[in-house]
Amino acid sequence: KQEVTQIPAALSVPEGENLVLNCSFTDSAIYNLQWFRQDPGKGLTSLLLIQSSQREQTSGRLNASLDKSSGRSTLYIAASQPGDSATYLCAVPYSSASKIIFGSGTRLSIRP
Amino acid sequence: DAMVIQNPRYQVTQFGKPVTLSCSQTLNHNVMYWYQQKSSQAPKLLFHYYDKDFNNEADTPDNFQSRRPNTSFCFLDIRSPGLGDAAMYLCATSASRGPSYEQYFGPGTRLTVT
Repeated sequence: KQEVTQIPAALSVPEGENLVLNCSFTDSAIYNLQWFRQDPGKGLTSLLLIQSSQREQTSGRLNASLDKSSGRSTLYIAASQPGDSATYLCAVPYSSASKIIFGSGTRLSIRP
Repeated sequence: DAMVIQNPRYQVTQFGKPVTLSCSQTLNHNVMYWYQQKSSQAPKLLFHYYDKDFNNEADTPDNFQSRRPNTSFCFLDIRSPGLGDAAMYLCATSASRGPSYEQYFGPGTRLTVT
C-alpha cells in the first residue's frame, strides 16, 4: 500500500532564503509525482509533474527532484517571497487504480 | 482556456438539507473525480466516473452520491449533510483512467454545514 509523507508539517523562513520541502513515498513503482500548491481555503494548483523517467523538473524559481530508488522527492524554492506562503502537497498515483495518494502537506510561511 | 470549473465556490447548507455541488470541464476528458478535503488533511477520493462507469471508493459513505449526465458535467449530491461533512470538495479530470494520466483540479467548493 502506497503511503506518502511530508515532513515537516509546517515551516517558517525569512524572505529571500532558499528552501527545500520533502516528500517520501513507500512504493517506488510510481509513474509520476506531482507537486501542488494550495492557498488557504482554495483549491489545488499544480506546480510540477515529474515522470518516473525524469530526475527533475524546473519552473521558474521552483525545482522538483525525484529519486525513485530512495522513495523521495524534494521541491526547491529559490529566493523565497511572502507570496510563496501556502501549503505544498505532493502526490503519487496509486499503482493499480485511478486515484492519487496525497501527502498531508507542508504549510510554508515566508516572513517579510 | 480549457479548464475544470466548480460551482458554487462556497456553499452553506443546513444540517440534513440535501445539497448538490457542480463540476464542469472543457477538457473533454473521459474521467471525472470527486475528492473530499477536511481542514489540514490530505484530499481523499470519494468516487470517479470513467465515461458513464461509476466507481465508488469502499469507504465512501452512502450519504454521498454522484451523477454524470454527460461528458462535461458531474454532480456531487450529499443527501443528508452532517456537521462532519463540512469540507472542501475538489473535482478533477483526466484524459483516461490509470496512473500515467495526470489529473487536473478545479478550484474547489467549500461546504459549510450549519
